[in-house]
Amino acid sequence: DVVMTQTPPSLSVAIGQSVSISCKSSQSLVYSDGKTYLHWLLQSPGRSPKRLIYQVSNLGSGVPDRFSGTGSQKDFTLKISRVEAEDLGVYYCAQTTHFPYTFGAGTKLELK
Amino acid sequence: EVQLVESGGGLVQPGRSLKLSCAASGFTFSNYYMAWVRQAPKKGLEWVATISTSGSRTYYPDSVKGRFTISRDNAKSSLYLQMNSLKSEDTATYYCARPPYDYWGQGVMVTVSS
Repeated sequence: DVVMTQTPPSLSVAIGQSVSISCKSSQSLVYSDGKTYLHWLLQSPGRSPKRLIYQVSNLGSGVPDRFSGTGSQKDFTLKISRVEAEDLGVYYCAQTTHFPYTFGAGTKLELK
Repeated sequence: EVQLVESGGGLVQPGRSLKLSCAASGFTFSNYYMAWVRQAPKKGLEWVATISTSGSRTYYPDSVKGRFTISRDNAKSSLYLQMNSLKSEDTATYYCARPPYDYWGQGVMVTVSS
């Protein structure tokens, strides 16, 4: 199975700060079609997950451009510029390249 | 507006069965693969099953393979998860999701306990 390792496990930030979350996979996430199926999700407290980024760097519908995703092969990063209060929660990376599909353990973003 | 609404959760004894449903609306259901994802209390997300558009192909992790069955009724825009031989470790909130995770339901709680 593909192991997704997220760091850090938690982050304490002030509103307006910028932060980055890392996600590393145990195998390349490049599929046979040449695309990389690595996604980023946010689960706000008490809510269902919401997709922020799909295929490494594509912004989901309605997602602010404060969010950006970069990376390739096995190494990926989510950056949040100018954190707002609504950004707090747990961030997950997820891969849908290889079965079984897997998620990272999550990064909890909290207010400083 | 895309909506996914799960139902069928509850308290069930170990070894028993339960069937979850997900009613989809706001998109052409038959055009999309669909999936179930679960989240144990205070834990992370775990993919449970995926089904192709026609239902002819299904995929599961080893943790549920042989016990859970995903199915769909495109005429009713509905997704199902039949869960047999339930274990305490299956206790979780179960989400219906449209791959690749662009829409999620509100989730339904399943508690497996005697």
